Amino acid sequence: DAKTTQPPSMDCAEGRAANLPCNHSTISGNEYVYWYRQIHSQGPQYIIHGLKNNETNEMASLIITEDRKSSTLILPHATLRDTAVYYCIVRATSGTYKYIFGTGTRLKVLA
Amino acid sequence: ETGVTQSPTHLIKTRGQQVTLRCSSQSGHNTVSWYQQALGQGPQFIFQYYREEENGRGNFPPRFSGLQFPNYSSELNVNALELDDSALYLCASSFDISYGYTFGSGTRLTVV
Repeated sequence: DAKTTQPPSMDCAEGRAANLPCNHSTISGNEYVYWYRQIHSQGPQYIIHGLKNNETNEMASLIITEDRKSSTLILPHATLRDTAVYYCIVRATSGTYKYIFGTGTRLKVLA
Repeated sequence: ETGVTQSPTHLIKTRGQQVTLRCSSQSGHNTVSWYQQALGQGPQFIFQYYREEENGRGNFPPRFSGLQFPNYSSELNVNALELDDSALYLCASSFDISYGYTFGSGTRLTVV
């Protein structure tokens, strides 16, 4: 069963920040939050991950609430190439370390 | 830099047949996982191999089986194909079991 809930779709104007929310209210203390995106049925592409602190890399920022029950992926200046399905994933840090995907958010960046 | 390579990219099989999908992991990666992605759904975990041993399995029947070879390439075998097995099959490899995964582009399997 998926451990994350995301809105099915969002639109964002090109050049604006895209804020993608994710609920993971049943997350355990040793589980990480990962974000991947998938463009037109290619393989998922890694974006960012975090445990409890906010994280930033060249692609995006990840904001995790203090209670860790939700997070937001921020694409600071969305481009048309950012149009994709974005998956928020909870990942255990023991055992198989498998990814549990939800159904994702289909982000459409508009010109 | 080599990525994760899957073959074939597309495949059409008849119900009841058997299929083998192949994955060449990224160089230096000792962990591989396989996922099934039905149309419009998120990927579902099938199983994972770590240093040639299966160390985790999702909710898939035994007719889904796999192998990881000493060079860390991998196979997914599906016997007695059913129509519902039609999906995108993704292979993902990792430098080590606790590291993030790099996904291949997948094999699109259609069962008719």
